[in-house]
Parts: sequence; structure tokens; C-alpha cells
Amino acid sequence: SYELTQPPSVSVSPGQTARITCSGDALPKQYAYWYQQKPGQAPVLVIYKDSERPSGIPERFSGSSSGTTVTLTISGVQAEDEADYYCQSADSSGTSAVFGGGTQLTVL
Amino acid sequence: EVQLVESGGGLVQPGRSLRLSCAASGFTFDDYAMHWVRQAPGKGLEWVSGISWNSGSIGYADSVKGRFTISRDNAKNSLYLQMNSLRAEDTALYYCAKDKFRDFGTQLVLNAFDIWGQGTMVTVSS
Repeated sequence: SYELTQPPSVSVSPGQTARITCSGDALPKQYAYWYQQKPGQAPVLVIYKDSERPSGIPERFSGSSSGTTVTLTISGVQAEDEADYYCQSADSSGTSAVFGGGTQLTVL
Repeated sequence: EVQLVESGGGLVQPGRSLRLSCAASGFTFDDYAMHWVRQAPGKGLEWVSGISWNSGSIGYADSVKGRFTISRDNAKNSLYLQMNSLRAEDTALYYCAKDKFRDFGTQLVLNAFDIWGQGTMVTVSS
């Protein structure tokens, strides 16, 4: 079955830039989406269609795509950004949605 | 306020059935595809199933295909998940999620999930 691969953890100091990658063979063909999940809370959509930001999401969140890898970038990381981040996309046929394994972002 | 409220979770023995419900409010329910996503304790997110706006197209994860059935009642603004032959590995928090984009096509299109409920816990154990 189709898989999306994320690093298990990323650590960054406040004010620095965090980059979280997500790799998958179908990403050149399918859009990617990113979610933020804090403990005990439902996920929140932070990026859709690779690089679009929903209303209400801070400008420091951005997304990009290159080949089989998409990247979530958080510029000027704040303590409140500490959370788990998940990428999501679809398989090549578009019939099944898939989530990456998640990346725990730690703000040092 | 746009809101999704799940219900129906609980403790159930392996092999038994359970039906989850999701009540939607604050948006035009039948304009959007809807989905179920689950999260096992301490684990990541897993898409379970999705249904198009008019129930004309449905998709399932391989892990639940043949055991779970998704449905919706647009007149009641409600989404359902009938879960049969439950297994220990089905233990999870089950979220109802709304598709971000209106889509009146004939096929289920898997887009972003922009609104999530708070989830209902399903525990499968003897």
C-alpha cells in the first residue's frame, strides 16, 4: 500500500526555521496537505494544495513541493508551534487518502 | 459556527458491531464530501473512509474494507460509520471530518479536511 514518509522528530530553537519533509511516489501527481495536532486536540489544517494557507493560519507557515517531496516550513518558530505535524495526500489512483507517520516538532 | 459532533463510541468485544454517528451544523452538509479518520492511542492519523456529497462514490482503507460501511443522511445532516467484525486493532479515537471544497462530481475526490470533530473513542477488548 502507498506510504508517505516523514521524519519522526524535528527540533528547533525559538525564532529559527523548522522544515518538515514528506516523501511519496505519487506526490508529483497528487496535492499534499498539512495538519497540526496538539495533545488532546483534533488536527488543524495549516496548508492545502501543497502551498496554500487557510484563513487564520499565521503567515509563518508555508508549504512547497519538489518532485516526490513536499515540505512544511515554519519561519520564526514560536513555542506555541510545538505539536505533531502530519502530511496527507492520495495514492496515485486518487481512491485512497494517506497520512504520513507524523513529525513531532520540539521547540527547544 | 461550523461544527461536527461524533457519538456512538464505547467498549465492545472483538467480533461485535458498533455504529458511529456524526452530527453536522453550521454549513450546507450536502455540498461536501465527508470522511472518517481514526487515531489509535499514541499513534498517527489513519484515513478510514470517505463518501461523496450524494453517496454516489465511496472509498475505504484496505484495513477496514468489507467490515465497515460509511453512509450519510443529508436530510438529517448526519454521517455514519457501521463497524462490523471489530478487532483489537480497530481501537482508536474516530474523527469525523469535512472536505474543504464543494464537489458535485460523480467520483469521491480526496481533498483536505478542513473541519474536524473532537472524536469518539472506540475500544475493542474482551
